[in-house]
Amino acid sequence: AQKVTQAQTEISVVEKEDVTLDCVYETRDTTYYLFWYKQPPSGELVFLIRRNSFDEQNEISGRYSWNFQKSTSSFNFTITASQVVDSAVYFCALTPYSSASKIIFGSGTRLSIRP
Amino acid sequence: GAVVSQHPSRVICKSGTSVKIECRSLDFQATTMFWYRQFPKQSLMLMATSNEGSKATYEQGVEKDKFLINHASLTLSTLTVTSAHPEDSSFYICSAREGQGIKDTQYFGPGTRLTVL
Repeated sequence: AQKVTQAQTEISVVEKEDVTLDCVYETRDTTYYLFWYKQPPSGELVFLIRRNSFDEQNEISGRYSWNFQKSTSSFNFTITASQVVDSAVYFCALTPYSSASKIIFGSGTRLSIRP
Repeated sequence: GAVVSQHPSRVICKSGTSVKIECRSLDFQATTMFWYRQFPKQSLMLMATSNEGSKATYEQGVEKDKFLINHASLTLSTLTVTSAHPEDSSFYICSAREGQGIKDTQYFGPGTRLTVL
């Protein structure tokens, strides 16, 4: 099976707390890409990161960081010092090499940051 | 980054009418465009893949006669929902890709919210 699982349906934290969004993927391909997208209430998808399967280096971009662990098939996303503007639905996604570039989305995690 | 537009952003129509949604790549040529549907509080589901100048490839369970896709140029793809019914109400999102390979980035449009009365 080729799929993405985001077990956390909704998360609510108080502003300035750190929060980690979990993502577990399944694919039989050895070459694939992983993504995170943010979808604010306006609906537009905002691209956050793309990672290929051969690059397990963790990445940090400002308050955002990503932990890619092939051994556990996970690609978790952490927001440090969360802000109200981070409130959105976050999707983890996968493109296996054999999928003809189709993106397989997880079910999404709705993140609410309370002031 | 590359920009993809969709028009209209929002449409309300009566049951039985047809609705056309346009997806344009504004600053690049898109050899491939994808159409997704997103029901409220759900994930994006791929409906079809269209390559310029050829017939679209539909995902399992998507009626090709109901969701007509035309990719007539390298910058424009259209999705026509024919004889729309209330169950077709959804958020439709397109994406466009410049290259053919897996490493080529897909750029998403802002989406079109369709409400069928």
